[in-house]
Order: sequence, then C-alpha cells, then structure tokens
Amino acid sequence: GQNIDQPTEMTATEGAIVQINCTYQTSGFNGLFWYQQHAGEAPTFLSYNVLDGLEEKGRFSSFLSRSKGYSYLLLKELQMKDSASYLCAVRATLFNAGNNRKLIWGLGTSLAVNP
Amino acid sequence: EADIYQTPRYLVIGTGKKITLECSQTMGHDKMYWYQQDPGMELHLIHYSYGVNSTEKGDLSSESTVSRIRTEHFPLTLESARPSHTSQYLCASREGFWTEAFFGQGTRLTVV
Repeated sequence: GQNIDQPTEMTATEGAIVQINCTYQTSGFNGLFWYQQHAGEAPTFLSYNVLDGLEEKGRFSSFLSRSKGYSYLLLKELQMKDSASYLCAVRATLFNAGNNRKLIWGLGTSLAVNP
Repeated sequence: EADIYQTPRYLVIGTGKKITLECSQTMGHDKMYWYQQDPGMELHLIHYSYGVNSTEKGDLSSESTVSRIRTEHFPLTLESARPSHTSQYLCASREGFWTEAFFGQGTRLTVV
C-alpha cells in the first residue's frame, strides 16, 4: 500500500530551527514535494526533491534520501508567520490505467511557532 | 504568481440543491485536479483530468462529477447536495508530472 508518515504536531520558538520529518512507502518514486498550508487556505509550494541531498531555498531547506524513504523540511530563523501545516507529498509511479504518477499526500504536520 | 481561481469562496446551501464549483486557470496547464479536504485532515483526490475531454475519478469516492470541455476550465458539480458533502474543495493544476501543483483558494461548502 501507499503510506506517508509525518508527525502530527510540532512546537518551536521564534528564531529557532525546526526539522519536520516525512517517511514514505510507495509503489515507485518520482519526486517528493513539500507544501505549506495556513488554516483555511490553499497549499502553497515550498520545495521539490527528486535526487538525494539537500535543496536550499532561503530559510527553508529540504532533504531527501531515496534509499531510506525519508525526507525532512528544515525551517531556520522561525517567524510567527511560519505557523502552519506542512504537507509532504510523494509522486509515485502506479502503472494501473489512469493513475500514473499520482501525488500521495501525508496528513500534514501542524507547526506552532511561539514568541 | 499562480493564476488559478475558484468560485465561490464560501457557499452555504440546502440539502437537495444542485451546485457547481468553478475552477479556472490561465496557465495553459493540461493537468487539473479536484481535492476534498476536511479540517485538519489530508487532501483526498476526487477527480483529475489530463486534458480536454479527459476526466478520471480519484482515490476518494465522490458523488460529484466533473467536465473538461476547455483546457482552462474544470468545474465540479453536485447534482443533489447532502450534509455529508460539507467540506473544503481545492482545485489544482500543473504543467507536468515533474512540476509543482498550483492551488486555487478553495471553496468551503456547507450543506444544511
């Protein structure tokens, strides 16, 4: 079966660093996405990893290890506005008709940033 | 900036009514998706389309239907709304399987 695991909730302090982990078991792998979603709003794209290693984009970095089925999102210099849900999504390769390369979504990690 | 729009943003309707949720994108994307998301829960794919006249059902069984007559337009219809349809509906599009998905602002539907 397909499975994405993320912690349900995390709490951190403004200015700190937080790492949100994501592990996955999918039928094939063709990339992992991280999205940010504020309450009541649509998800917004943060990062995409398809090769092993670290991708850095400003305060946010995302890491992928395909052999371990593992990724993390690293948020530095936390700000209050970073309080949101962070969604991990994997693009799997399912070769049954009509389902090729669908995105499998995790439940999301709700991050609370405290002053 | 993403150019994908959903209307209405909020909708409260009575049981048994027929409704259509609109989704339009101006990016020329072939791939479009409808997701259903309850508060604090994950996104569930209910419909997708890989181009004009192509529509498929997603993972979560839904009583809604979709159509794709034009590339930019992917409306979702509920023939007879029920309280169990109360949820947030998110539309998304992307250029290719390797590219990010852009989401609309969502429609928060309440059926009373």
